[in-house]
Amino acid sequence: GAVVSQHPSRVICKSGTSVKIECRSLDFQATTMFWYRQFPKKSLMLMATSNEGSKATYEQGVEKDKFLINHASLTLSTLTVTSAHPEDSSFYICSARDRGRGGNNQPQHFGDGTRLSIL
Amino acid sequence: DQQVKQNSPSLSVQEGRISILNCDYTNSMFDYFLWYKKYPAEGPTFLISISSIKDKNEDGRFTVFLNKSAKHLSLHIVPSQPGDSAVYFCAASSGTYKYIFGTGTRLKVLA
Repeated sequence: GAVVSQHPSRVICKSGTSVKIECRSLDFQATTMFWYRQFPKKSLMLMATSNEGSKATYEQGVEKDKFLINHASLTLSTLTVTSAHPEDSSFYICSARDRGRGGNNQPQHFGDGTRLSIL
Repeated sequence: DQQVKQNSPSLSVQEGRISILNCDYTNSMFDYFLWYKKYPAEGPTFLISISSIKDKNEDGRFTVFLNKSAKHLSLHIVPSQPGDSAVYFCAASSGTYKYIFGTGTRLKVLA
């Protein structure tokens, strides 16, 4: 159980293109999903918290207009990197918590990530 | 400001022996700690967690120890197996859903 699917796994595109990444919880409902970014040999850095039916909460330093997040249902959140440039190239990972399991101390379950390369 | 630190970027252990991965934190408000395992090109997989009201949690070959006074936690893997070779991340949170991750330790278990 607790499977999170992320798609696509890899994207290579030209500078200026907008890229959409999907994160789905396959066997549970998630009111909250999270988007992380990982640079080579660095930690996972939280970019934003995606809340079903409401606006996302962005971490300091993350551009809201650059990284658009939509959490339209209890099983799907999307991250759109708008007008992507080479500096946006990175590994993006989403995670989700099982809404049905109460308490704060429930682990986040991660997708397999998306490798984004902007030429 | 790195609130969660894993000072050893890599560790090599012989198969069958104990692997000990360490993690230090600075924020005394953290009350929930987790360990994740990550293979290349995959997302992190949850291994084990511990609440700040405990000092030890065990699950099969994996045991997490928490020393609140030292702001230190460790993951013990006994016995280590070649399939345990991966990058291990510790993470911490403070009453919210937000996790702060360490930079990871690459474990290599030698057959």
